[in-house]
Amino acid sequence: AQSVAQPEDQVNVAEGNPLTVKCTYSVSGNPYLFWYVQYPNRGLQFLLKYITGDNLVKGSYGFEAEFNKSQTSFHLKKPSALVSDSALYFCAVTGAIFNKFYFGSGTKLNVKP
Amino acid sequence: EPEVTQTPSHQVTQMGQEVILRCVPISNHLYFYWYRQILGQKVEFLVSFYNNEISEKSEIFDDQFSVERPDGSNFTLKIRSTKLEDSAMYFCASSGQTLNTEAFFGQGTRLTVV
Repeated sequence: AQSVAQPEDQVNVAEGNPLTVKCTYSVSGNPYLFWYVQYPNRGLQFLLKYITGDNLVKGSYGFEAEFNKSQTSFHLKKPSALVSDSALYFCAVTGAIFNKFYFGSGTKLNVKP
Repeated sequence: EPEVTQTPSHQVTQMGQEVILRCVPISNHLYFYWYRQILGQKVEFLVSFYNNEISEKSEIFDDQFSVERPDGSNFTLKIRSTKLEDSAMYFCASSGQTLNTEAFFGQGTRLTVV
């Protein structure tokens, strides 16, 4: 069965420090991986994706993610967190044979001044 | 920048009533989805739609639910005989020409069943 795991319900980090939000996946075939961010009472906003090619992908607002095939992971990272990065982050996966995106349970990121 | 628009932003309905949630996907997109989210938590898949028919539906998407693309722009979710547990944020999404493109989500319709 296809699935996405975000093992941390919440991540706390101080402003200016690096942040990592973890994601692992299980999917048949080659994965297409995505990160979305959700601010309170808003929709899901696309951050970045991995389809093929370079394992390190860069996205909006200084975020990046690294695809690791052997560990089936796609962790979201940012070198220096901002208070405004505080939000709910969702990892998602799909593939060429699927008709939907599978979402993780979400990780709440708290960046403190 | 093109965006997915959803109306209404908030719908309050009495239990047992029918509601229609409306969505206008991005104009050149071919794949359409409905997801829902209860209390800002897990994002649950309801249904996907391609080429004027349902591609896949979840266990949640039973006979109470239906989707329609009545014209070239709108994509609707109908919930018949609403139940209290249908209260949630409903998100419409669309994605482009192939399956390896990201989905763009609307701002959601908050459905409250009383």
